[in-house]
Amino acid sequence: GQNIDQPTEMTATEGAIVQINCTYQTSGFNGLFWYQQHAGEAPTFLSYNVLDGLEEKGRFSSFLSRSKGYSYLLLKELQMKDSASYLCAVISNDYKLSFGAGTTVTVRA
Amino acid sequence: GAVVSQHPSRVICKSGTSVKIECRSLDFQATTMFWYRQFPKKSLMLMATSNEGSKATYEQGVEKDKFLINHASLTLSTLTVTSAHPEDSSFYICSARETRDYEQYFGPGTRLTVT
Repeated sequence: GQNIDQPTEMTATEGAIVQINCTYQTSGFNGLFWYQQHAGEAPTFLSYNVLDGLEEKGRFSSFLSRSKGYSYLLLKELQMKDSASYLCAVISNDYKLSFGAGTTVTVRA
Repeated sequence: GAVVSQHPSRVICKSGTSVKIECRSLDFQATTMFWYRQFPKKSLMLMATSNEGSKATYEQGVEKDKFLINHASLTLSTLTVTSAHPEDSSFYICSARETRDYEQYFGPGTRLTVT
């Protein structure tokens, strides 16, 4: 089975940095995705990690440690529009995505 | 980039009726399509995996006779919610995958409300 854990909620100030952690225990691993989802909309792709290390893409970075079953998404220079739910998802050998419950990030002025 | 569309975006139906939701990959051929449902403030839950030309594979606890999935071509999959009940009200999202790609491209979702 799949077990993916991430915090339920986080709050930060505009311009600040927030780190969303995700731990996973899965049967079969072919990479980890981070998605952003605004209320009532479908998820949008942020990052994909399959090798250990840090992937940086503009204000967003994602880190993976396969031996620890751990990933984080780092959001820098927070903007009000970054208020959303962030979903950690692991893809298994059969191409199925298993999602964590999502972390709701609220950015305050 | 790869685009997936869903139709309708919103639908309201009465209990006992059936509703069909279409998922289309617009600029690529989708070997596999996935159907998810999402309840408010909850994460996406995979309902079924649909491969072109073959029967869908349903996740445990999902009734295949209630949620009919057809994947007739490499660009179209449909989900029909039969004899809908209020508890079927949810946000239904499809995604599509190309043959040699792990990434899934998500449709915009369909909000179903059963009255």
